[in-house]
Amino acid sequence: EAGVAQSPRYKIIEKRQSVAFWCNPISGHATLYWYQQILGQGPKLLIQFQNNGVVDDSQLPKDRFSAERLKGVDSTLKIQPAKLEDSAVYLCASSFGEYNEQFFGPGTRLTVL
Amino acid sequence: GEDVEQSLFLSVREGDSSVINCTYTDSSSTYLYWYKQEPGAGLQLLTYIFSNMDMKQDQRLTVLLNKKDKHLSLRIADTQTGDSAIYFCAENKVYGQNFVFGPGTRLSVLP
Repeated sequence: EAGVAQSPRYKIIEKRQSVAFWCNPISGHATLYWYQQILGQGPKLLIQFQNNGVVDDSQLPKDRFSAERLKGVDSTLKIQPAKLEDSAVYLCASSFGEYNEQFFGPGTRLTVL
Repeated sequence: GEDVEQSLFLSVREGDSSVINCTYTDSSSTYLYWYKQEPGAGLQLLTYIFSNMDMKQDQRLTVLLNKKDKHLSLRIADTQTGDSAIYFCAENKVYGQNFVFGPGTRLSVLP
């Protein structure tokens, strides 16, 4: 089966600009996650969707970050405006079933200058 | 503590066993996971253990869970150069933030 797809793979922007990331989960996976992974650290959960509803967005900086999952399939994560400290890899994952076995995409590496 | 903790580095010789340790935060966490991340790639689930188990074995991997001490370990038998990567433990918490990852342990396998 196809894995989790993410695009773009790399993005370089200047601070105060906007950026959007796209994720297509594995077909049939109801749960979708966005993580931020800063260099040298473990992934930090930003938001978790169950179908198209938000389960957990407690660590999402809502003044600048937004995410949506229309129709319960694809998802976009947006940063507006970006700050230097947003430089990180943004990982998308999806899961199905009670074990929450998460399958990760390759990530989008964001550099904010 | 409030954070999942791991040693940051581990170096072993090829053919030896590797043991990566993790201390998690919530004794009521339902599942605990080990992920592997190779350079430039996303995370790959290696194995998971349900909180009512003490041990789980899967080929070269053995997971040990000590609920009393909130301690999780991953043992890799006959470590190979292809095992060089960063290993993350993660917990699926019942309350609060659902998934919390540790900082990762960088495993280097020397020939």
